[in-house]
Amino acid sequence: EIVMTQSPATLSVSPGERATLSCRASQSVSSNLAWYQQKPGQAPRLLIYGASTRATGIPARFSGSGSGTEFTLTISSLQSEDFAVYYCQQSGAFGQGTKVEIK
Amino acid sequence: QVQLQQWGAGLLKPSETLSLTCAVYGGSFSGYYWSWIRQPPGKGLEWIGEINHSGSTNYNPSLKSRVTISVDTSKNQFSLKLSSVTAADTAVYYCARRWRITIFGVVTQNWFDPWGQGTLVTVSS
Repeated sequence: EIVMTQSPATLSVSPGERATLSCRASQSVSSNLAWYQQKPGQAPRLLIYGASTRATGIPARFSGSGSGTEFTLTISSLQSEDFAVYYCQQSGAFGQGTKVEIK
Repeated sequence: QVQLQQWGAGLLKPSETLSLTCAVYGGSFSGYYWSWIRQPPGKGLEWIGEINHSGSTNYNPSLKSRVTISVDTSKNQFSLKLSSVTAADTAVYYCARRWRITIFGVVTQNWFDPWGQGTLVTVSS
């Protein structure tokens, strides 16, 4: 069973700054990794699949990278609507989430 | 554009059976796996299981003994039943379409999109 570990648990960032979120898999998953954004009271929304491919309609400020066991989601310049919880996912396993909050 | 609409009972007593249904509108029902995922209040996401249009299922081992997922292809719907619920099963339950990319039978990519709106199920005596 693959375990996904995200860090940090909470990230405090000022609007306009860059945010870097990490996700680690307990064993290699190649590029089989997705990222989701969830806002309070809403269902998760797909951001990235295949580790680095943006989903339809996702702004270019969101980018994903990595392969094997180490992955990164970068938000290049945080907008007010980007403050949310972000999850990584591989197969049936989700990370515990990183909350991006306003600094 | 595919949309998922889900419904079911929101308040259960311990030992009862949770029952939810998800309808798929606006797209193909075949060729995908259709999943259930839950999220306890204030916590993370847990995959429950999935089914395809042929009725082939996969379940989370931690819930397998209590979960049944079924499909009605005539209505483009799939359903979740979770038996013997306890307070620990209190959560928002989501349905979602799972995309799978396979090469020579090996799943090389998979992700969930779109998701249903979620249903809060509370288990309380």
